[in-house]
Amino acid sequence: GESVGLHLPTLSVQEGDNSIINCAYSNSASDYFIWYKQESGKGPQFIIDIRSNMDKRQGQRVTVLLNKTVKHLSLQIAATQPGDSAVYFCAENRPGGGADGLTFGKGTHLIIQP
Amino acid sequence: AAGVIQSPRHLIKEKRETATLKCYPIPRHDTVYWYQQGPGQDPQFLISFYEKMQSDKGSIPDRFSAQQFSDYHSELNMSSLELGDSALYFCASSPGQGFTEAFFGQGTRLTVV
Repeated sequence: GESVGLHLPTLSVQEGDNSIINCAYSNSASDYFIWYKQESGKGPQFIIDIRSNMDKRQGQRVTVLLNKTVKHLSLQIAATQPGDSAVYFCAENRPGGGADGLTFGKGTHLIIQP
Repeated sequence: AAGVIQSPRHLIKEKRETATLKCYPIPRHDTVYWYQQGPGQDPQFLISFYEKMQSDKGSIPDRFSAQQFSDYHSELNMSSLELGDSALYFCASSPGQGFTEAFFGQGTRLTVV
């Protein structure tokens, strides 16, 4: 299953399928991006990050793709499991130093169907 | 491993009351960030501190103030509470400036009635 990020807040996939969650970021100068997973009532949990000098980074069952040309970020989750059910946020960090925090995108609620 | 600790986890206040939220960063993390997350919303950056000095401000209302103490813990003070202040308030900490290696706490759920 695949989301269109900002315009589809809920993505429903079958257990075992691959999930693709999309995100459009706003600032072409942003140089660092993070995907967070947030379960109900809990704080955002770091999943994977990527710097702007890369276009792909892989973790355990997750892959992040960065397309700077169109300011697009995606999170691919392989073999989705029930524990993957959560809201997923992309976040961008603007350059230039300063601890001004991340700008979060709109979350996508991933629902895993048995 | 030690994580970011926030207290209290839940808080119920009446309109026009004040509230104080506390955040204890991961040891040796000198930067703290505060975020507000309304129901069904993405986290919004409020304010951050680096080495006990305010580093940047986001969408923090004038009714709110915050500080970072000598032990690096931070407190968010909220006065004249409004119903719209009901939200989850998250704190994150990182070593040094910039948001790499930053971790979030479990949040404080504030309900204003």
